[in-house]
Amino acid sequence: SQTIHQWPATLVQPVGSPLSLECTVEGTSNPNLYWYRQAAGRGLQLLFYSVGIGQISSEVPQNLSASRPQDRQFILSSKKLLLSDSGFYLCACDSWGPLHFGNGTRLTVT
Amino acid sequence: GQQLNQSPQSMFIQEGEDVSMNCTSSSIFNTWLWYKQDPGEGPVLLIALYKAGELTSNGRLTAQFGITRKDSFLNISASIPSDVGIYFCAGGSQGNLIFGKGTKLSVKP
Repeated sequence: SQTIHQWPATLVQPVGSPLSLECTVEGTSNPNLYWYRQAAGRGLQLLFYSVGIGQISSEVPQNLSASRPQDRQFILSSKKLLLSDSGFYLCACDSWGPLHFGNGTRLTVT
Repeated sequence: GQQLNQSPQSMFIQEGEDVSMNCTSSSIFNTWLWYKQDPGEGPVLLIALYKAGELTSNGRLTAQFGITRKDSFLNISASIPSDVGIYFCAGGSQGNLIFGKGTKLSVKP
């Protein structure tokens, strides 16, 4: 079965600094990959999804970007973080089954 | 656009009680999924439903895909303290899921 690795688990970054969150998947090939953000209000907001290498769809316009350099690697980036970027970022994956989530990265922008 | 309502928003129950929560949508869905999230962790899939009328169990958990394809419920029988957490429903199809806002379950021993 697939395993989703996310790191780091927690991150504190100052406003204006860059961001790079990494997600890798094991146990499956050619998965669909997703980045979600979960604010304190608990709702899950889809940020980006990818159906293949180099293919990224953005759901919400913002100062974040995503890249998929390899089949099982998905990266969330920002050139300059805003305070409003704080939240819990979740990578998720599905292939021929339901969506599964990684353990998330708690980002605090100070 | 599509909307998905999950209720109740929160529940406080005694250990041993049964729990029921549900989700309704404004659109027909092909898939209903139920997740549980513990603090600081990612949501974990509990039950996946793919057919209208389908009733599936996972231990003390039972979920059903509504006949109209616009609703689903999750029941937890004989709750225990480790059932505490936030339960999410999700409906839609692969690559196009909508999530409910969650039901926060608290269990008093």
